Parts: sequence; structure tokens; C-alpha cells
Amino acid sequence: KQEVTQIPAALSVPEGENLVLNCSFTDSAIYNLQWFRQDPGKGLTSLLLIQSSQREQTSGRLNASLDKSSGRSTLYIAASQPGDSATYLCAVRQPSGGGSNYKLTFGKGTLLTVNP
Amino acid sequence: NAGVMQNPRHLVRRRGQEARLRCSPMKGHSHVYWYRQLPEEGLKFMVYLQKENIIDESGMPKERFSAEFPKEGPSILRIQQVVRGDSAAYFCASSPRQGGETQYFGPGTRLLVL
Repeated sequence: KQEVTQIPAALSVPEGENLVLNCSFTDSAIYNLQWFRQDPGKGLTSLLLIQSSQREQTSGRLNASLDKSSGRSTLYIAASQPGDSATYLCAVRQPSGGGSNYKLTFGKGTLLTVNP
Repeated sequence: NAGVMQNPRHLVRRRGQEARLRCSPMKGHSHVYWYRQLPEEGLKFMVYLQKENIIDESGMPKERFSAEFPKEGPSILRIQQVVRGDSAAYFCASSPRQGGETQYFGPGTRLLVL
């Protein structure tokens, strides 16, 4: 059974700091890994998706890496801003039940607070 | 192109009542997924549906919960005889095709059972 763990559970940093969020998963047979952002009372916004054959993806100030064999991913946020404050969720996608069905397994998230 | 829509956004029910949560997928999407987020927990997969078919319901509780996605209209997650432990945020996601594509999430329905 796949388990996804995110460390730390909460992180508070001053504005401008670079930071790293960690995600680990127990079953390395994944199809891809996705990082989401969740704002309070809102839905999920996809940030980056890394296919299992890729090592990293970049979007603006965000960089996500994937080490599939060791079951780890990191989300790097450069020059953090107060607007980055949110919960960041990591999810892995795996085949489920045969055919071409896939299932997402989420971590509990890291609550990030960027202080002005 | 409107995103995934869910209603109601907030729902309050007393123990023993029924809760109906609706999800309208993005235009052109025929695959719908339901997730539940309990307090202090991550999102947990509940059920995956295509039009008129339940494809994977391995995450659904065995009793009181059911889901449908009719040919016309939104997908419905139905919880009968709600209990306090059903209080959670329920998220719907949709995708255009089966497979490993990204899913687009709705804003969720926050269910509170008194």
C-alpha cells in the first residue's frame, strides 16, 4: 500500500528566503508525481507534474525534483513571498485495478507561512 | 471554460439526515473522481466514475455512501444517515480521458454534521 509522507508538517519563514519542502513515498512504482497548492477553504491548484522518467520540472520560482528509486521528491521555492503562504500537497499517481485506471495518493501536506 | 464546479460549498446536516454533494466536471471531461479530506488528514481517494459507470470504488466506505454520474447532469455523492465522523471537505476532480493525466479539482464541499 502506497504511503506518502511530507516533512515538515508546518514551516514559517521570513519573506525572501529560499525553502525546500520534502515528500517521500514507499512504493517507487509510480506513473508520475504532482505538487499542488491548497489555500484555506479552497480547492487544489496544480503546480508541477513530474513524469516518472523525469528528474525535475520548473515553473517560475518553483522547482520540483524526483528521485524515483529512493522514493523522494522536493519542491524548492525561491525568494518566497507572503502570497506563497498555503498548504502544499504532494501526490503520486499509480496504476490501479488494471487497465488504464490510475489513482492519486496524497500526503498530508506542509503548511507554509511566509512572513512579511 | 469554467472549471470544476461543486455545490453546495458548505452543507450542514444533523445526524441521521442525508447529504447530497454535486460535481459538474469541466466541459469535455467525462471522468470524475471524488476525494475526502478529514481534519488533519490528507486527501483520500473515494471513487472514480465515468458517465453512467463506476470504475473504481475501492475508497468508498462500505455503507451509507454512494456515487453516480448520470448521462445527463452532475455527478452526485450521496451520504445517507450522516454521522459526525462524516464531517470533512469533499473534493471532486475531473479529467478528459482515462489514464495518468492531471486531474482538475473543484473548490470542495465542506460538510458539517451536528
